[in-house]
Amino acid sequence: KNQVEQSPQSLIILEGKNCTLQCNYTVSPFSNLRWYKQDTGRGPVSLTIMTFSENTKSNGRYTATLDADTKQSSLHITASQLSDSASYICVVTRNTGGFKTIFGAGTRLFVKA
Amino acid sequence: SQTIHQWPATLVQPVGSPLSLECTVEGTSNPNLYWYRQAAGRGLQLLFYSVGIGQISSEVPQNLSASRPQDRQFILSSKKLLLSDSGFYLCAWSSHLSGTVDNEQFFGPGTRLTVL
Repeated sequence: KNQVEQSPQSLIILEGKNCTLQCNYTVSPFSNLRWYKQDTGRGPVSLTIMTFSENTKSNGRYTATLDADTKQSSLHITASQLSDSASYICVVTRNTGGFKTIFGAGTRLFVKA
Repeated sequence: SQTIHQWPATLVQPVGSPLSLECTVEGTSNPNLYWYRQAAGRGLQLLFYSVGIGQISSEVPQNLSASRPQDRQFILSSKKLLLSDSGFYLCAWSSHLSGTVDNEQFFGPGTRLTVL
């Protein structure tokens, strides 16, 4: 069954600290993996995309990694800011006819001053 | 540049009343269009997607329906709302270019629906 699981469900960190969010998937055949950031009450916005051959991608203070063998991805946030408080959603797309995107439930990150 | 609009931003409706949420996209042609629902504290659930005018695919059986009367217009409807229809509804679009793996979806601002 094609699934995307994220952990932890929620996370509280102090401003300036680093954190890592996890994503495990069982999606096949794999096409790509995206991390989205969703601010409260807003639509998600893409942070990074990685295909099978890529194992790391950075976007400012966000660094995503991908291990296609173990089907795991992580999103590392460096020097967190209050504005990083949001839900982070892992999305995996299948390489199949048409399109098929599978969303994780997200990790809710709270950054405290 | 492309933009996506949704309205209304918030809506409070009684059980049994009809629903119509509208989504329009500007700055692109023949986009793929999507409707998602997000329950409080939960992940996004794909409700419908469309690859062209009049072409609607439903992902889950439910009380809702979707229509695409124009290339860049996507409408979510219900004849009679249920309490369980409450949630945050998001419309999204993606490029319809064939052969691309960059299938990023661009989301609208969402509609917060409360059914009482």
